[in-house]
Amino acid sequence: GAGVSQSPRYKVTKRGQDVALRCDPISGHVSLYWYRQALGQGPEFLTYFNYEAQQDKSGLPNDRFSAERPEGSISTLTIQRTEQRDSAMYRCASSPSTDVGSGANVLTFGAGSRLTVL
Amino acid sequence: AQKVTQAQTEISVVEKEDVTLDCVYETRDTTYYLFWYKQPPSGELVFLIRRNSFDEQNEISGRYSWNFQKSTSSFNFTITASQVVDSAVYFCALSEEDMRFGAGTRLTVKP
Repeated sequence: GAGVSQSPRYKVTKRGQDVALRCDPISGHVSLYWYRQALGQGPEFLTYFNYEAQQDKSGLPNDRFSAERPEGSISTLTIQRTEQRDSAMYRCASSPSTDVGSGANVLTFGAGSRLTVL
Repeated sequence: AQKVTQAQTEISVVEKEDVTLDCVYETRDTTYYLFWYKQPPSGELVFLIRRNSFDEQNEISGRYSWNFQKSTSSFNFTITASQVVDSAVYFCALSEEDMRFGAGTRLTVKP
């Protein structure tokens, strides 16, 4: 697609429910990142993929969070047994290369999925 | 692990003033990239500039300029003759293998 697409844009759920957030990167982009941004804070790194391989998941807060990108394109971030502290904007970004920063390879961000856990 | 510090949480200036946003980073790598992103009130993250660790030339783009100094591990951003439309949160970021952001500086430009 023309840009990074995230869905749903808004999700309200009750504590204890599972949620799945989807990211559709720019067509052909090989690197895909997930960030979480709480109100008034900077984007907090969660995990990233090069193609279908998850390179670093050190930013995932705990084992309730998981992400996958099975075919190297669309990615899903899943939060199990949601808690109120999970409420935040979840942002996805993609880059045409695995070497983010070199050449023309900068991260392009989606509009985000705002998660509210009641 | 890499780290980015933006010590200024909020800055408020009057239109036409110059303002500098500070960014200090930590990394053990010799090859890395530094970025600035702008987040206006609408919420999107807009890429402003990227600099690689081997290029210490300062850059000017219109009213924006960036000063990269490896000796002090800083990548500061200056807006000259600020305008109300510059009001936003500005994030500095560092990329080694992955990309990490600072906490951001909220800039308010008053008319």
